[in-house]
Amino acid sequence: GENVEQHPSTLSVQEGDSAVIKCTYSDSASNYFPWYKQELGKGPQLIIDIRSNVGEKKDQRIAVTLNKTAKHFSLHITETQPEDSAVYFCAASLIAGGTSYGKLTFGQGTILTVHP
Amino acid sequence: DGGITQSPKYLFRKEGQNVTLSCEQNLNHDAMYWYRQDPGQGLRLIYYSQIVNDFQKGDIAEGYSVSREKKESFPLTVTSAQKNPTAFYLCASSGLLRGQGETQYFGPGTRLLVL
Repeated sequence: GENVEQHPSTLSVQEGDSAVIKCTYSDSASNYFPWYKQELGKGPQLIIDIRSNVGEKKDQRIAVTLNKTAKHFSLHITETQPEDSAVYFCAASLIAGGTSYGKLTFGQGTILTVHP
Repeated sequence: DGGITQSPKYLFRKEGQNVTLSCEQNLNHDAMYWYRQDPGQGLRLIYYSQIVNDFQKGDIAEGYSVSREKKESFPLTVTSAQKNPTAFYLCASSGLLRGQGETQYFGPGTRLLVL
């Protein structure tokens, strides 16, 4: 089955700096890669996703890059703010013919702390 | 106001007791999922259902059971066979079967504690 490794497990930055979180996956058939942000005591919220036919996607201060050959993808947050502090999870899934096998495999999570 | 609701927010289980966690969604999503989250770990899939009256085991289904009698509801029962039930349980849904996208939307979670 799919295995997703996420690094680093903790990341501490100063407000205004950039933050990068990296994930690698094992199943070359995976083609959908979402990123979730989870605040303390709450459910995860999708912040950005990318499909394997795209190499990069941006949404304001957040961007995701995908390298299919190396089987890794990364989350980039620029101009970090204290409210970006949370746990971030990457995930991988196989989407086939418009449906999904229903299995998102998650990384272990990264605790991001942004210091004012 | 659309979304996913989970209840209760906190649940206490006694030894040998079965407990049921509720998950309801009004997003008209076909697929629903249950995940378990332990400290320092990612989310692990317990069960999922892509259509009413059908569900499949995930990676850690032992000690759990589910039902999907209605599209809006996907309750999870933690049975006495689950020896380490203390965790944060998350329910999710997605509209994947109608090309609505494979994005999974999560509820606020239920924290289960053993007395």
